[in-house]
Amino acid sequence: GQQVMQIPQYQHVQEGEDFTTYCNSSTTLSNIQWYKQRPGGHPVFLIQLVKSGEVKKQKRLTFQFGEAKKNSSLHITATQTTDVGTYFCAGPPGRDDKIIFGKGTRLHILP
Amino acid sequence: SQTIHQWPATLVQPVGSPLSLECTVEGTSNPNLYWYRQAAGRGLQLLFYSIGIDQISSEVPQNLSASRPQDRQFILSSKKLLLSDSGFYLCAWNRLLTDTQYFGPGTRLTVL
Repeated sequence: GQQVMQIPQYQHVQEGEDFTTYCNSSTTLSNIQWYKQRPGGHPVFLIQLVKSGEVKKQKRLTFQFGEAKKNSSLHITATQTTDVGTYFCAGPPGRDDKIIFGKGTRLHILP
Repeated sequence: SQTIHQWPATLVQPVGSPLSLECTVEGTSNPNLYWYRQAAGRGLQLLFYSIGIDQISSEVPQNLSASRPQDRQFILSSKKLLLSDSGFYLCAWNRLLTDTQYFGPGTRLTVL
């Protein structure tokens, strides 16, 4: 069945450094979504990418969808302490209506 | 606007005791509903999902069950809790034919 792999599992960066997490699918995706979960909180939807090669920005966050629509990345420029949390990518549901989440990348910021 | 509620926020239960967690969605009709469990520092494990009243699909065989007695109500239950049932339980919903999931605030369950 469809799988969504996410790397790295953990990332420690110095405050001000950049951060990137990658998401890869075993199949072509019609879209991909990204979520952020703050420590102790619940996942919150960030963005959805639909088009091949699409790039979207939210302030310091840049989201990309690969040309083949099998991979995606989230890049954060000049990390801040507010960026701490776990970032999940998610593929769309198949016939079974289940959205497939990656295992997440936990970002820790060193002061 | 739509909102999703979960309660209780935290729960400490002894091994072997029953469990009932409730999730309700407001401001929408006929949502798809989901129960996830998240172990500390881990990913999201899908437990159950429902596309309609009394229509429940189970992902993981275990001592948990789910029910959907009303369109916007989703209940997670257990007759006898195990230590391994500890975790962060999240309810989520999405509209039919859309993919974006909206999560509730979650219930942090500790089984002692």
